[in-house]
Amino acid sequence: DGGITQSPKYLFRKEGQNVTLSCEQNLNHDAMYWYRQDPGQGLRLIYYSQIVNDFQKGDIAEGYSVSREKKESFPLTVTSAQKNPTAFYLCASRPRDSYEQYFGPGTRLTVT
Amino acid sequence: GEDVEQSLFLSVREGDSSVINCTYTDSSSTYLYWYKQEPGAGLQLLTYIFSNMDMKQDQRLTVLLNKKDKHLSLRIADTQTGDSAIYFCAEILAAGNKLTFGGGTRVLVKP
Repeated sequence: DGGITQSPKYLFRKEGQNVTLSCEQNLNHDAMYWYRQDPGQGLRLIYYSQIVNDFQKGDIAEGYSVSREKKESFPLTVTSAQKNPTAFYLCASRPRDSYEQYFGPGTRLTVT
Repeated sequence: GEDVEQSLFLSVREGDSSVINCTYTDSSSTYLYWYKQEPGAGLQLLTYIFSNMDMKQDQRLTVLLNKKDKHLSLRIADTQTGDSAIYFCAEILAAGNKLTFGGGTRVLVKP
């Protein structure tokens, strides 16, 4: 059963703690992306990776970090430096030579 | 710069057609997309159109692109209650790797 999985669906953290969101895909896609969605708004790009061991900052990378050690996995760490971390986080992937991005189900992070 | 705009809300009766509109500013857009998001879920790619096309039809969905006016629309024929969702348009530029999204249009289908 191919797809993009994000876990957990809901995540709660105290302010000042780092938290890592998981994104896994078994579609053999080369590129992977992290977006943030705030209520009533569109998606904004945090980081993306086109190949293993390489990634680039998106529009709102401050306070976040990523790694891409395996093709299938692109975890996102929300650090304590992120001023407003409560949001819905969406991971996406894209096959090589395609402009189509496919999204996972999202993780809703609440920081109090 | 890149900017994608959508109206916030659309109400439509079941069985009628829905038309969701989107405008964008960057003329170097390569592909333009329509995504659907149901409550608490990720985004589902509905359809997309290459910038050298005027129209694309896929079952109940028709995409119209007016490149001169930088206007994109999505028409849903015979709208059903299951079509109630937020619809996002997005663009990708020729040189780029990232999607730029509009703010989304919430579509409510009334029985």
